[in-house]
Formats: sequence, structure tokens, C-alpha cells
Amino acid sequence: AQTVTQSQPEMSVQEAETVTLSCTYDTSESDYYLFWYKQPPSRQMILVIRQEAYKQQNATENRFSVNFQKAAKSFSLKISDSQLGDAAMYFCAYRSARGETSGSRLTFGEGTQLTVNP
Amino acid sequence: DTGVSQDPRHKITKRGQNVTFRCDPISEHNRLYWYRQTLGQGPEFLTYFQNEAQLEKSRLLSDRFSAERPKGSFSTLEIQRTEQGDSAMYLCASSRLGNTTPLHFGNGTRLTVT
Repeated sequence: AQTVTQSQPEMSVQEAETVTLSCTYDTSESDYYLFWYKQPPSRQMILVIRQEAYKQQNATENRFSVNFQKAAKSFSLKISDSQLGDAAMYFCAYRSARGETSGSRLTFGEGTQLTVNP
Repeated sequence: DTGVSQDPRHKITKRGQNVTFRCDPISEHNRLYWYRQTLGQGPEFLTYFQNEAQLEKSRLLSDRFSAERPKGSFSTLEIQRTEQGDSAMYLCASSRLGNTTPLHFGNGTRLTVT
């Protein structure tokens, strides 16, 4: 079974600064997908960024980028120019590429609570 | 796109009672998922449907839990004989087909079992 680990329960960053959230995962599969989701307080969880394991290039979405190290099974999220609205719980998630059944569930990490200080 | 809606938002029940939650996914989404989230933890997969077919169930889903999606549209999650350990946020999500398509989550139903 796949596992996802986020070793930083809490992180803080000053507004306009850069912060990196860590995520490691364990899998025996070679083809899979990785995601970062954001869950603001009392609000819906939304997708921040996604990465296909077969792609060597790191995904970027505006101020959000990832550092995907497949051999190390590491998938960190970098937030540049942090804004107050970035404050939320961030979850790293894994999805297998196999088939319709186990290929569809997301396995989430424990989350990292990000505080943005003005 | 009206989003995923869940009802009720909050449910307080006494131990031993049955509860049922409803999820209305985004209308064109084939897949529907149920997750459970306890405070300070990531969501845990419970089950998922593709159209009306329940394709996967987690071992977390004991025989007291049952989910349906009778017409491939809305879904219900029923918990029978609730226990205090069932207290959690129950999240529903939906998506189109495809492994990179994002899950769209609802606001969740918070269950408190007293």
C-alpha cells in the first residue's frame, strides 16, 4: 500500500517570502500522480498543483512550484511571494496510475498547517 | 458549475442511532468519492463510484457503513448504529474520468456522535 508523509505539522512564513512544504511517499509503482491540495479554514479543499511521475519537468502554477525527486520519493511544494490568502492546511496526495479501481483513489498525507504573517 | 454540495452541514446524533448523508456532485462528473477526515488529519478514502457502480471500498468501511449512488447522480452514505469513533468530517468529492483530473470537494458533513 502506498503511504504519504508530511513531516511538518506546522509552518509559518512572512508575507512576500518563500516557503517550502515537504512531502515524501512510499510506493513500489513506477507510474503515478502526485498532487498538492489546499484546505482553507472552513472552506472546500481545492487542487493547487499536480505532477505526473513520468514527467521529469517540475510542475509550476503561477507562484506555486514543486520539486519532484522520483528516486528519493520526494515531492515538495514551494510557494513564492506568499500572500495572506495562502494560509491554509496543505495536503500532499498520491494516486496510482493502475486501472480504474486502485488507480482512482487519492491517498493523502497528514497535512501541513501554513500560517502567513503580515 | 455549481460545485459539490453536501447535506447536512452538521449532524449531532446519539450513539446507536443511524444517520444518512447526501452528496450532490457536479452534474457532468462520472466519479464520486467519499472520504472521512478527523481533526488534524488528512482525508481517508472510504469508497468511490463510477457512475452508479461502486468500484472500490476501503477496509475502513465497516459493515455499518453503506453507500449508494442509485442513478449515477447523487450519493448517500449511511452509518448504522453510530459509535463515538465515527465522529468526523465526511467529505464528498467528484471528478471527471482520468487520473489527473482534479477532485472537486464539497464542504463536508460534520458528524458528532454523543
